[in-house]
Amino acid sequence: GEDVEQSLFLSVREGDSSVINCTYTDSSSTYLYWYKQEPGAGLQLLTYIFSNMDMKQDQRLTVLLNKKDKHLSLRIADTQTGDSAIYFCAGSNAGNMLTFGGGTRLMVKP
Amino acid sequence: DAGITQSPRHKVTETGTPVTLRCHQTENHRYMYWYRQDPGHGLRLIHYSYGVKDTDKGEVSDGYSVSRSKTEDFLLTLESATSSQTSVYFCAIRSGTGASYEQYFGPGTRLTVT
Repeated sequence: GEDVEQSLFLSVREGDSSVINCTYTDSSSTYLYWYKQEPGAGLQLLTYIFSNMDMKQDQRLTVLLNKKDKHLSLRIADTQTGDSAIYFCAGSNAGNMLTFGGGTRLMVKP
Repeated sequence: DAGITQSPRHKVTETGTPVTLRCHQTENHRYMYWYRQDPGHGLRLIHYSYGVKDTDKGEVSDGYSVSRSKTEDFLLTLESATSSQTSVYFCAIRSGTGASYEQYFGPGTRLTVT
């Protein structure tokens, strides 16, 4: 099955950009997703990218996909304290089964 | 929030007892999923359903069963709870058509098995 790996922790200052990285093993993943989880809450879908795209921008969020290296990143511009959360990347296969990474905890310091 | 509710939201139970968690959706989605979340593991798929009475196993299905007798309800049962099943359980639905699908999650059920 697919493996999805993420670094555990990222700390940034308010106003800086955050970049959260993810690597995956299954080159046939059709879609790659980013979810956000705040304490005590469920997962909120932030954005996703189709595997034939290199980049997708949605307001403060930019997703970059390097298919050759199987590397996905999420950039958050002008990071705010409200962005503090755990961020999960996930890949989907042809049957739309999702495989999740272990999550990256983003801490934003004022 | 895609109209997904989970009940109960919190439960403490003893080892060996049966437990049923309920997921309810209001938007008539065909696909529903149960995941468990444990530190360092992200979310792992337990079972999923692709229609009434149609279910299949996920990555970590041992010790769990599911049922779906109505489109809106997807039940997860732990026949005899064990301490290793202490976790946060999330239900999800699949939305979207054609080329893209998204999964939307409920608020979760925190289960503690003592």
